[in-house]
Amino acid sequence: AQSVTQLGSHVSVSEGALVLLRCNYSSSVPPYLFWYVQYPNQGLQLLLKYTSAATLVKGINGFEAEFKKSETSFHLTKPSAHMSDAAEYFCAVTGSGGSNYKLTFGKGTLLTVNP
Amino acid sequence: DGGITQSPKYLFRKEGQNVTLSCEQNLNHDAMYWYRQDPGQGLRLIYYSQIVNDFQKGDIAEGYSVSREKKESFPLTVTSAQKNPTAFYLCASSKDGEKYNEQFFGPGTRLTVL
Repeated sequence: AQSVTQLGSHVSVSEGALVLLRCNYSSSVPPYLFWYVQYPNQGLQLLLKYTSAATLVKGINGFEAEFKKSETSFHLTKPSAHMSDAAEYFCAVTGSGGSNYKLTFGKGTLLTVNP
Repeated sequence: DGGITQSPKYLFRKEGQNVTLSCEQNLNHDAMYWYRQDPGQGLRLIYYSQIVNDFQKGDIAEGYSVSREKKESFPLTVTSAQKNPTAFYLCASSKDGEKYNEQFFGPGTRLTVL
């Protein structure tokens, strides 16, 4: 069984400030982890993924995430926020063994960027 | 360009009516999925299909039905048995055989019951 907890349903930052979106997971098998971004009234776009290679994963638009097994975390960061980063972000997990057809999503974090 | 298309983008339905949402992909993916999204709830899996002519229930299948007659198409029918159908519906696909299940999403259909 898998689950994802995203801490903070709404995060607000100033333009140019650090972005930190938190994700903690629970999985009975070694996980694969994903971050997706969703702009209003659109589908989800993959930002980055962890698939048991490097623990520090770099994605699109300057985002990165670090897999920390001891903390069961996969937090998303970006050094300097841009107005175009305003969107909703979802963390998701799937198991690395057996059937991988089910992604379990967190409830999302809405990022607001203030000028 | 390869991708997933969903139609219509907006759909209005009267109570008691069935309605079908379209999902087509030209990525040559074997697996397809339907999710429901409600504000503050994340995405919940309705149905998924790993191969043509086969599909499985997800976490919230009650009141929905699907078919998978072609690899490219996975339509979702919202029946009158679905008690609260107003939501944003997302279709996704993934390539079978991958070690990890990277899913690609369509643009979504917003269904409103009047």
